[in-house]
Amino acid sequence: IAGITQAPTSQILAAGRRMTLRCTQDMRHNAMYWYRQDLGLGLRLIHYSNTAGTTGKGEVPDGYSVSRANTDDFPLTLASAVPSQTSVYFCASSDSGVLNTEAFFGQGTRLTVV
Amino acid sequence: ILNVEQSPQSLHVQEGDSTNFTCSFPSSNFYALHWYRWETAKSPEALFVMTLNGDEKKKGRISATLNTKEGYSYLYIKGSQPEDSATYLCAFGWSTLTFGKGTMLLVSP
Repeated sequence: IAGITQAPTSQILAAGRRMTLRCTQDMRHNAMYWYRQDLGLGLRLIHYSNTAGTTGKGEVPDGYSVSRANTDDFPLTLASAVPSQTSVYFCASSDSGVLNTEAFFGQGTRLTVV
Repeated sequence: ILNVEQSPQSLHVQEGDSTNFTCSFPSSNFYALHWYRWETAKSPEALFVMTLNGDEKKKGRISATLNTKEGYSYLYIKGSQPEDSATYLCAFGWSTLTFGKGTMLLVSP
C-alpha cells in the first residue's frame, strides 16, 4: 500500500519560476492538506480540500494555489517562486476531515528557491 | 488563526525516566485533539485522536489525557527509551488541523 506520495523529493528552483508539487493518495480519503515546515514555526497550513472539487485557504496561502480535480490528487503550485518559499512541504490526507480521524503524511518535498 | 501551544519546547531525559508534555488549545468550539510522533527524516505519524472531554488513550508506554473545558492535553511516556526520541506534535482539529510547534524529546541511553 503506497499511502500518500509526494514528488519530487527535493528541488532547487530559480526565483520567478513556476513549480508544481505533486501529491497522490490511494486511500480514497476525502480531505487533503498542504503544510510547510519551517524551523521554529512548526507545520503551517497552506491550503486544504475537504472533498474533490472544493479547496480552502489555510494560514499561509499567499503565493500558492491548489486544485482538487479528483479524490486522489492534490497538486500545489507556486506561480512565481520567491526565496521565502524555501521550505519543506508536506502533503497529508484524512478520511473524513479532522474531526475524529488521523491524518496521514507524505514523505515531504524539500524546496530551495535561489 | 488558532493558537496551539506546546511545552516544553525540548526535553532531554535519561533512559528509564518517565516524562510528560503539555498541549494547550482554545477551549471553545472543540472538535478534536491529535497527537503525532515525528522522527527525524520521516513523516509525522498519528499517536492518538481524542474527541471527548476526559478521554484517556494509551498505546504501549505512551498515553494521553484530554481536558476540553480548560483546553489542555497531556502526553505521558513511561520508562522512556532511546527510540522514543522524536518531536511530539499536538494538533487542534476544528475545520482543519492546526499544529503546535512540538516538543523535541531526546532520550539518552
